[in-house]
Amino acid sequence: AQSVDQPDAHVTLSEGASLELRCSYSYSAAPYLFWYVQYPGQSLQFLLKYITGDTVVKGTKGFEAEFRKSNSSFNLKKSPAHWSDSAKYFCALEGPLNTEGADRLTFGKGTQLIIQP
Amino acid sequence: NSKVIQTPRYLVKGQGQKAKMRCIPEKGHPVVFWYQQNKNNEFKFLINFQNQEVLQQIDMTEKRFSAECPSNSPCSLEIQSSEAGDSALYLCASSGTGAERLFFGHGTKLSVL
Repeated sequence: AQSVDQPDAHVTLSEGASLELRCSYSYSAAPYLFWYVQYPGQSLQFLLKYITGDTVVKGTKGFEAEFRKSNSSFNLKKSPAHWSDSAKYFCALEGPLNTEGADRLTFGKGTQLIIQP
Repeated sequence: NSKVIQTPRYLVKGQGQKAKMRCIPEKGHPVVFWYQQNKNNEFKFLINFQNQEVLQQIDMTEKRFSAECPSNSPCSLEIQSSEAGDSALYLCASSGTGAERLFFGHGTKLSVL
C-alpha cells in the first residue's frame, strides 16, 4: 500500500528565512508527487508536481521541490519565506496512470507553516 | 477563487438523517473526486468518476454512501444514514485525465450531532 509521511506537524520560521518542508513516501513503483497548499478559509491549491525528468521542479508562488529517489523524499523549498506563506501544506502521491483515467491521490497529514514577520 | 463549486458550505444533521452535498466541477474536466478530510487532516478517498461513470470507490462508499455525476447536472454525494463518525469536511475535486493537478472546491463541512 502506498503512503505519504510529513513528519513535521508544525514549522515556525522568521520571515526571510529559508523553508524546507519534509515529505517522504512509500510506493513500489514510480510515483507521481504533488504539493498542495491550503490557506485559511480557502480551498486546496496546487503548487507543483513531479512526474518524471528533472528532479527539481518549480511551481507557483516561488516554491520548488526536489525528488530524491534514493531516500524516497520530495521536500518543498522556498527562499526567502514571506509571512503570506503561512498556511497548511500537503504532500500527495498518485500511482501510475491506469488506462481508465486519473488515479487517486494519497495525502500526508500536512505541515502547518507559520512565518513570523 | 476555486472554480469547483460545492454546496452547501455547512451541513448539520442528526444521527440517522440523510445528508446530501453537491459539486459542480470545473468546466471541461471529465474526472471528479470526492475526499473526506477529518479533524486530524487525514484525507480519505471516497469515490471518483470519469465522464459520469464510477472509476474507483472504497467499500464504505458502497454501503451508506452513494454518489453520482450525471451529465448536465451537479455531482452529488449522499450519506443515507449519518453517523457521528461522518462528521468531516467533504472535498470535491476535478481534473483532466492523466497525472493532472486537482482543482478543489471549498468543501462541505458536515456535522452530525
